[in-house]
Amino acid sequence: EVQLVESGGGVVQPGGSLRLSCAASGFTFSNYGMHWVRQAPGKGLEYVSGIDSNGDSTYYANSVKGRFTISRDNSKNTLYLQMDSLRVEDMAVYYCARGDTALVHQNYFDYWGQGSLVTVSS
Amino acid sequence: SYELTQPPSVSVSPGQTASITCSGDKLGDKYSAWYQQKPGQSPVLVIYHDRKRPSGIPERFSGSNSGNTATLTISGTQALDEADYYCQAWDISTALEVFGGGTKLTVL
Repeated sequence: EVQLVESGGGVVQPGGSLRLSCAASGFTFSNYGMHWVRQAPGKGLEYVSGIDSNGDSTYYANSVKGRFTISRDNSKNTLYLQMDSLRVEDMAVYYCARGDTALVHQNYFDYWGQGSLVTVSS
Repeated sequence: SYELTQPPSVSVSPGQTASITCSGDKLGDKYSAWYQQKPGQSPVLVIYHDRKRPSGIPERFSGSNSGNTATLTISGTQALDEADYYCQAWDISTALEVFGGGTKLTVL
């Protein structure tokens, strides 16, 4: 059974940092591109970032480019999102999601984690 | 940047057919996907590659995509289908995935 389990969310002040993790199991992690999607309270889904299966290609939404860094450790079956210079508008539930291919482009997301809440507040 | 537009809400009576649209420039030239999200839960993929259903998704869910519009159709809608639905496609100009704003389906 495919499982994606996020951790690392919490409360942080504006300008602070947080690192999210997504532990994957039930599939060959190194064969799939992985992604982060967020959802602000009461709002819709927003694509944040993606990384290909071997970590060579990464992409970011303009809203987080230069502040967030996606990475993966295939030896640990874990996806990461380092979030720096956090803003109030970054407050959301962050989901990790598996892409349907090894590539970072033109994916659909066939499995999602339960989400990790990031609260940015002073 | 590429935008996908969905109606904020759609209502349907139990047993009837619900159609949720997703509009974008030349969307029919791209693959579309649809996700169902119930309150407090993670999104679930219900349609991919315009019209394919993942295993475990009931046959009453179907999809189409042509021109500028992708459509999710739910036949014989049930109360348990009440949820938010999001379309998704890939924007070649930004090389990023894009989601529609979501449609709240009410079964009443």
